[in-house]
Amino acid sequence: GAVVSQHPSWVICKSGTSVKIECRSLDFQATTMFWYRQFPKQSLMLMATSNEGSKATYEQGVEKDKFLINHASLTLSTLTVTSAHPEDSSFYICSASLITQGSGAFFGQGTRLTVV
Amino acid sequence: GENVEQHPSTLSVQEGDSAVIKCTYSDSASNYFPWYKQELGKRPQLIIDIRSNVGEKKDQRIAVTLNKTAKHFSLHITETQPEDSAVYFCAASPNAGGTSYGKLTFGQGTILTVHP
Repeated sequence: GAVVSQHPSWVICKSGTSVKIECRSLDFQATTMFWYRQFPKQSLMLMATSNEGSKATYEQGVEKDKFLINHASLTLSTLTVTSAHPEDSSFYICSASLITQGSGAFFGQGTRLTVV
Repeated sequence: GENVEQHPSTLSVQEGDSAVIKCTYSDSASNYFPWYKQELGKRPQLIIDIRSNVGEKKDQRIAVTLNKTAKHFSLHITETQPEDSAVYFCAASPNAGGTSYGKLTFGQGTILTVHP
């Protein structure tokens, strides 16, 4: 199957700082990637759709100025959590899909963000 | 938008028994229904999926059924083993192409515990 790599796998940052998370499709090109957030013991909630070469589409309730998404190439999308606060502490996961029949979504390893 | 309901939230079975998890969805445009297994701190792993033109799919001990008319689908695991213990998520996707391809709406998750 296709490989999606996410980096870093965990990060601890101080309140008020920004953190960048990278999501790469290693063996295929992804014009669209998705960013999810998962709080402890909860489900994955879609935050935004990252579109290569254009603005991201954010889900209702997700602050676009706080969660900056850049999809500058067909293999890389980045999520920057700006001015992070403890309530932003969560598991962030990206995914990408192959635009072919029979393929589903492939997930990155996830990033555990802890804001102290 | 799509809404996916998953039941039960927890399921405890004895090794060798069967386990069934059920999901309902709301958007008739959804036509792709994957099931994921997630272990603590790890990314979701696709275990089986089904498309709306198929009513049932089986892969060894795992099977999924889909009733498109009733908008519900189920995961069946037979001969459960302790290593099946994890959180299971159902999801729905329009998979209709364009930027919605690969966009998943997840159910709330089921914690499956298989006792030896």
